[in-house]
Amino acid sequence: NAGVTQTPKFRVLKTGQSMTLLCAQDMNHEYMYWYRQDPGMGLRLIHYSVGEGTTAKGEVPDGYNVSRLKKQNFLLGLESAAPSQTSVYFCASNQGSSNQPQHFGDGTRLSIL
Amino acid sequence: AQSVTQPDIHITVSEGASLELRCNYSYGATPYLFWYVQSPGQGLQLLLKYFSGDTLVQGIKGFEAEFKRSQSSFNLRKPSVHWSDAAEYFCATTYGQNFVFGPGTRLSVLP
Repeated sequence: NAGVTQTPKFRVLKTGQSMTLLCAQDMNHEYMYWYRQDPGMGLRLIHYSVGEGTTAKGEVPDGYNVSRLKKQNFLLGLESAAPSQTSVYFCASNQGSSNQPQHFGDGTRLSIL
Repeated sequence: AQSVTQPDIHITVSEGASLELRCNYSYGATPYLFWYVQSPGQGLQLLLKYFSGDTLVQGIKGFEAEFKRSQSSFNLRKPSVHWSDAAEYFCATTYGQNFVFGPGTRLSVLP
């Protein structure tokens, strides 16, 4: 009963380094999402995907790229990490109808020094 | 654009006391509304959802929420809080295929 799995769980980067966060879901969901969570700001949508091979920008897309090469995976990339990207990142998925709740992973805590 | 407000940043209640967490949304039509709970170090877990019909919705862990169109509210309630309910609570609605989350309310429970 894995649901949504995020790797890694923790990571520390230096400014300018790059990395990729992986999200995998085993529920055959069409839609996948990447959020960042910062204190007092709730969750803000970075990018999302409505199906394999498609991606779209959310509320705060700058500095991030995504790819959805396989339906079950959604990758979030930071090409040149900045301290402002220190955050907790959550991946979510759902079937895509607006009345379907999202299922969340446990998050990736990322620190940029 | 859609927005969700949660007026209370932090609430403290005693164990066994009743709880009400406030949520207001901005939208013209009948919204889809959700409450999620986040325990420390965890992702968000769905407590309950409202789509249409009965305005009082029952969820997991003894929570319920009431949709009030006239007040644009969807407040979360529990009659008797347990220490394990200490967590952060998020109200959310949908805007197209995307979700819009409130800033969250942190609940502390006193023994």
